[in-house]
Amino acid sequence: AQSVTQLGSHVSVSEGALVLLRCNYSSSVPPYLFWYVQYPNQGLQLLLKYTSAATLVKGINGFEAEFKKSETSFHLTKPSAHMSDAAEYFCAVSDDPTGNQFYFGTGTSLTVIP
Amino acid sequence: DADVTQTPRNRITKTGKRIMLECSQTKGHDRMYWYRQDPGLGLRLIYYSFDVKDINKGEISDGYSVSRQAQAKFSLSLESAIPNQTALYFCATSDLGGSNTGELFFGEGSRLTVL
Repeated sequence: AQSVTQLGSHVSVSEGALVLLRCNYSSSVPPYLFWYVQYPNQGLQLLLKYTSAATLVKGINGFEAEFKKSETSFHLTKPSAHMSDAAEYFCAVSDDPTGNQFYFGTGTSLTVIP
Repeated sequence: DADVTQTPRNRITKTGKRIMLECSQTKGHDRMYWYRQDPGLGLRLIYYSFDVKDINKGEISDGYSVSRQAQAKFSLSLESAIPNQTALYFCATSDLGGSNTGELFFGEGSRLTVL
């Protein structure tokens, strides 16, 4: 079975600082990995996804994530945090890109301090 | 207008009442999902449907039922609501066609409180 672990349920960064949100997965097959963002009172929307192409994946709003098979990780980064990045971030894994089932992490709430 | 619409957006009800949450989509996707979000637990899959004649249980289906009335409509029912079903519920869709990207498209959520 697939599973996802997000380290740190709450992360605070200063505006302009590096954002690093951690995600580790367990999978018996090559995974498909996703980061979703949830802004207050909204549904989730896709930030980026890894589907076995390039290991460094670029997403929307300046975010990117690197797939590291040896570490079973897919950490999300952004070089410079903006106030508008404050949201909840979810890592998800699927065993195929067509989405038979997605398994979500417990989420990381990002606070950006002015 | 939103591509995935959920109604109601907020609902307060009492223990034992029957509740239906409705979802409609204009994306033309075959696959539809119902998730539940609880603080600290992330999203958990309740039911999913790959077409009108296909319904599958997810991780936490007990106490819930669903109906796929049409390709565009997928409703979630709580036959007899209980307080631990208080949560934020999300409907989502995914494309099974040639342009499939494996992406889920979410509605804005239905917040249910069971007293």
